[in-house]
Amino acid sequence: GQSLEQPSEVTAVEGAIVQINCTYQTSGFYGLSWYQQHDGGAPTFLSYNGLDGLEETGRFSSFLSRSDSYGYLLLQELQMKDSASYFCAVKAAGNKLTFGGGTRVLVKP
Amino acid sequence: DGGITQSPKYLFRKEGQNVTLSCEQNLNHDAMYWYRQDPGQGLRLIYYSQIVNDFQKGDIAEGYSVSREKKESFPLTVTSAQKNPTAFYLCASTLGGTGNQPQHFGDGTRLSIL
Repeated sequence: GQSLEQPSEVTAVEGAIVQINCTYQTSGFYGLSWYQQHDGGAPTFLSYNGLDGLEETGRFSSFLSRSDSYGYLLLQELQMKDSASYFCAVKAAGNKLTFGGGTRVLVKP
Repeated sequence: DGGITQSPKYLFRKEGQNVTLSCEQNLNHDAMYWYRQDPGQGLRLIYYSQIVNDFQKGDIAEGYSVSREKKESFPLTVTSAQKNPTAFYLCASTLGGTGNQPQHFGDGTRLSIL
């Protein structure tokens, strides 16, 4: 089976940097994805790591270490609109995604 | 614009009743998925389908059923056997295959018991 662990909540101020860690245990692994979900809304795709290393997309970056079964999402220059829940998800065969429990990020002025 | 449409946005179920949630996509995606999300929790996979006329159980399939008669449609039925159906239901689709194929989500259906 698959299991993922990520912190439940993080609070930071505007302009700060937040790192959300994700550790996983899985049988069969193709990659690690990150999704953002605002309250009441649908999840939207942020990034994907299929190989070890850092992927950068604007203010957001994601990192993967397959040997450590670990990844993180880095949110830089935090803005109020970044207040949302962030989910890591392991991709397995059949394009199945197993999601973590989510990290609620609260950005304060 | 292409996307995924879920309907209805809100749905109420009576005891012993089956209800069907609609999911339609015009993205020409091969694979479609149904997830359940409880308050403050992550998404859990109910069923998924990689091609027309084929589908597989996810992690929490009991009390649910699906069909995939058309590529663009993947309806989910919540049966009376599902004793705790109150949740936010999300449908997603993707091109399929390996590599980076992000899942695209609909806006969800909120199901409650009357």
